[in-house]
Amino acid sequence: EVQLVQSGAEVKKPGESLKISCRGSEYSFISYWIAWVRQMPGKGLEWMGTIYPDDSETKYSPSFQGQVTISADKSISTAFLQWNSLKASDTAMYYCARPGYSGSPDAFDIWGQGTMVTVS
Amino acid sequence: HSALTQPASVSGSPGQSITISCTGTSSDVGAYNFVSWYQQHPGKAPKLMIFDVSFRPSGVSNRFSGSKSGNTASLTISGLQAEDEAEYYCSSYTSSSTILFGGGTKLTVL
Repeated sequence: EVQLVQSGAEVKKPGESLKISCRGSEYSFISYWIAWVRQMPGKGLEWMGTIYPDDSETKYSPSFQGQVTISADKSISTAFLQWNSLKASDTAMYYCARPGYSGSPDAFDIWGQGTMVTVS
Repeated sequence: HSALTQPASVSGSPGQSITISCTGTSSDVGAYNFVSWYQQHPGKAPKLMIFDVSFRPSGVSNRFSGSKSGNTASLTISGLQAEDEAEYYCSSYTSSSTILFGGGTKLTVL
């Protein structure tokens, strides 16, 4: 079964750093973009950015550019989302998602289970 | 780019049809046929229901359909069922090579 498996929930203090992960399985990880999506408590979905694992090309939403870093290690089929200095406003559920239909950049057919990040 | 505009809530009775709109601009919804719709139940990850304006992924009921006119896309759910009660989000590719989501619409099945 094609899956994206995310790392577990995190509780951090303001100012701390954090790196969460998203591992792909049962498909060619290097052949599909991986996006990160934020969902703050009780709020909607926000596209943060995306990475192409084969060459690590990245694109960021202007709202998140400079606030987070998206990376990938294709040798372990894993994408990462990283913060250098967390803020309370980073408290949210973070999903990774794969656009699985060729040529359709926003058709996210596979989603991770989400990683809840609490900053307090 | 601001979030795409969706109504905050819609409702309908079982068996009825409802339509959710998603309004963008000529730089996103109006520029490409890359509009998707997602269903999200509480505590769950979103599920892709429609992509490329009107295509259904395998396994999605044909009660769900999508369309677009100008800068506004629409999701129609026919034959409403209790299990359709959820939050629905649209998304669109943009001329800046980014993805925008709508603010979400809460569907209540009366």
